Amino acid sequence: DIQMTQSPSSLSASVGDRVTITCRASQGISNYLAWFQQKPGKAPKSLIYSASSLQSGVPSKFSGSGSGTDFTLTISSLQPEDFATYYCQQYYSLPLTFGGGTKVEIK
Amino acid sequence: QLQLQESGPGLVKPSETLSLTCTVSGASISSSSYYWGWIRQPPGKGLEWIGSIYNTGTTYYNPSLKSRVTIYVDTSQNQFSLKLSSVTAADTAVYYCARRVYGGPIDSWGQGALVTVSS
Repeated sequence: DIQMTQSPSSLSASVGDRVTITCRASQGISNYLAWFQQKPGKAPKSLIYSASSLQSGVPSKFSGSGSGTDFTLTISSLQPEDFATYYCQQYYSLPLTFGGGTKVEIK
Repeated sequence: QLQLQESGPGLVKPSETLSLTCTVSGASISSSSYYWGWIRQPPGKGLEWIGSIYNTGTTYYNPSLKSRVTIYVDTSQNQFSLKLSSVTAADTAVYYCARRVYGGPIDSWGQGALVTVSS
């Protein structure tokens, strides 16, 4: 199985801050990486696929980059609705695997 | 507009079989463009992929659960279902059904169904 490691596991940030979350794969996955946002009590929401492509309707303040084993999700200017847990997920090979999540909290 | 809705018992006894159904509206599960699958999330923990099914009936399961999992479709009802046998407390989780693009990412999720394993 491909292991996905996210860092940090949590972070505190203020409204307006630029936030970057890192995801590392245990082996190369090309750009077969997705990012999801999950708010408490809700289903995950798809944000980014193919490492850097925004899902329809996702605001451009979200961006993704990377290829191979190292990936990042950036939120350019954090807003109150962005406080949530973010997960990366590889779909290069089965079983599909997720990172452990990064909880973004209000400072 | 695509909608996925999980349904099934919220409480299952240990050693019994967990059964959930996902009803799809706004898309056909017979489409060759998608897989249909299940993902779970224990309370306060991360996400675990359970498995998927393609329109040919081909199934793909997580090896960690493969011996206990069955996923199948009912095209007449536009539904797909999950059975997980011999459950224990460790199987307590929110179970999500989801759509995955063929060869691509998950793009849609159901709202989730909490299943508790307890006597």
